[in-house]
Amino acid sequence: GQNIDQPTEMTATEGAIVQINCTYQTSGFNGLFWYQQHAGEAPTFLSYNVLDGLEEKGRFSSFLSRSKGYSYLLLKELQMKDSASYLCAVREDSNYQLIWGAGTKLIIKP
Amino acid sequence: DTGVSQDPRHKITKRGQNVTFRCDPISEHNRLYWYRQTLGQGPEFLTYFQNEAQLEKSRLLSDRFSAERPKGSFSTLEIQRTEQGDSAMYLCASSFRRGGANEQFFGPGTRLTVL
Repeated sequence: GQNIDQPTEMTATEGAIVQINCTYQTSGFNGLFWYQQHAGEAPTFLSYNVLDGLEEKGRFSSFLSRSKGYSYLLLKELQMKDSASYLCAVREDSNYQLIWGAGTKLIIKP
Repeated sequence: DTGVSQDPRHKITKRGQNVTFRCDPISEHNRLYWYRQTLGQGPEFLTYFQNEAQLEKSRLLSDRFSAERPKGSFSTLEIQRTEQGDSAMYLCASSFRRGGANEQFFGPGTRLTVL
């Protein structure tokens, strides 16, 4: 079956670094996405990984290991505005449908 | 590029009534998706279109739900005989099929409350 697991909630301190993990079990794999969603708003695209390794984009980086069915999102120099839910999603095949995790609510404290 | 828009942003209805939502995707995007999201959950796939063709519909979607994209541009999602369990945020997203991420861009959503 299809399953994507993320921690429900994490807390971190402003200025620090936090790593949000995602593990997946899907029938196929054609890419993994991370989205940010502020409360009451729509998800916005953060990153995409299709090959193993680290993709860096400013303060955010995303890592993928296809053999382990594992990804993480790394947020550096945390700011209060980073308080949001972070959603992991897997694209199984070329039909472009995404399978979504429930999201990790990240709380940033001063 | 004005982004994905959805209308209305909020809808309150009584159980048993029909409701219709509209989504206008980013103009050059040929794929359009509908999702439903409840509090503390990720988006749940409902259906998607490539141009005007509806290519996939969730098995979880009852026959009370129907979607159209008549000219391959905007789309409508109709829910007939609404139930309290239909209360959720309905999200529309669009993407353009090309090489690479083909990430989906989301609209602001329509929040449905069924009384």
